[in-house]
Amino acid sequence: QKEVEQNSGPLSVPEGAIASLNCTYSDRVSQSFFWYRQYSGKSPELIMSIYSNGDKEDGRFTAQLNKASQYVSLLIRDSQPSDSATYLCAVNMWGNFNKFYFGSGTKLNVKP
Amino acid sequence: EPEVTQTPSHQVTQMGQEVILRCVPISNHLYFYWYRQILGQKVEFLVSFYNNEISEKSEIFDDQFSVERPDGSNFTLKIRSTKLEDSAMYFCASSEEDPDTQYFGPGTRLTVL
Repeated sequence: QKEVEQNSGPLSVPEGAIASLNCTYSDRVSQSFFWYRQYSGKSPELIMSIYSNGDKEDGRFTAQLNKASQYVSLLIRDSQPSDSATYLCAVNMWGNFNKFYFGSGTKLNVKP
Repeated sequence: EPEVTQTPSHQVTQMGQEVILRCVPISNHLYFYWYRQILGQKVEFLVSFYNNEISEKSEIFDDQFSVERPDGSNFTLKIRSTKLEDSAMYFCASSEEDPDTQYFGPGTRLTVL
């Protein structure tokens, strides 16, 4: 069974702080990793993808991947109230390049 | 900005009835997907479609489900005999050349009574 695990939260951070969201996955052959943002009642929106070990930065967002530990994280710097949403981790397995597994999501609350 | 559209936004049906959910992917996209999200639960992959055929499907996508690209613009999901547990939000997504960069539609909320 291929699993993607996230802490459901809620994670509460004050405005301007760094929010750290974590995700673990069970399948060692996973190749591609994604972070989506989902506002309540809306569809998922891709924030970032990461394929190699290390950090990848895009504006206020940094994705971190450690394949040895089967761990991927998302850091949001200078958190804003508009960042309040559920953040979904998704994984694409090797050999199933068009099949994606989502975690249950972590709800983030950014307090003004 | 181009976007994925889905119709209807909300579909109510009786158990055992057939429903067709419609999606119009972004026009130059090559890869198409259906996902579902039961209220309060995770997004679940159903099926991916490329070059006019299914490329991957999940355990959920059994014989009651089918997909079709009947013309150059629409991508449909048919559920042949709906069950109560099919009640969920169904999302269509599409991607251009890179199957990893998916754009989601707004979803169709299916309610099975």
